[in-house]
Amino acid sequence: AQRVTQPEKLLSVFKGAPVELKCNYSYSGSPELFWYVQYSRQRLQLLLRHISRESIKGFTADLNKGETSFHLKKPFAQEEDSAMYYCALSGGKGQNFVFGPGTRLSVLP
Amino acid sequence: ETGVTQSPTHLIKTRGQQVTLRCSSQSGHNTVSWYQQALGQGPQFIFQYYREEENGRGNFPPRFSGLQFPNYSSELNVNALELDDSALYLCASSLSPSYEQYFGPGTRLTVT
Repeated sequence: AQRVTQPEKLLSVFKGAPVELKCNYSYSGSPELFWYVQYSRQRLQLLLRHISRESIKGFTADLNKGETSFHLKKPFAQEEDSAMYYCALSGGKGQNFVFGPGTRLSVLP
Repeated sequence: ETGVTQSPTHLIKTRGQQVTLRCSSQSGHNTVSWYQQALGQGPQFIFQYYREEENGRGNFPPRFSGLQFPNYSSELNVNALELDDSALYLCASSLSPSYEQYFGPGTRLTVT
């Protein structure tokens, strides 16, 4: 069965510190992995997807098939990064998305 | 360009009743996905419609049904409402199933 886990409900870091949001998945096949973000009072929006290999707002994520992980990283956190982050996977063709429970990132001044 | 809109913003229903939620997709998008988000949880995929046909379904009972219209707007219908159906219902549209999803603001449903 498809499953996404995010072990931390809340992650607090100081401004300028590195941040890593953990995501592990289970899927019998080749999934597409995504990170979505929801800033306060805004809609859920795509942050990045593994197939595009982009760096968005300084965030990167590498798909590790051996460890079935897709951790989100940023070397220097900013206060505006404070938001709810969801890891998600799709079985392909955009179908059957599975979201993790989310991690709330709080960047302290 | 208008983004994804949903109506109503929120509503209250009684257990056993039926409800219809509506979603207008972003201009040019032919794919709509529906999600249920309970408090403190991530969105749960209900189903997806692509060019008026169901294109994938999550683990939800048949009393959750949907429609997509020729203009690609969509409805989510829930029959025989249960207390556990209380949640935020999100709609997302995309250019096609493999493209980025754009989410609406959601409809907050409370079942009493």
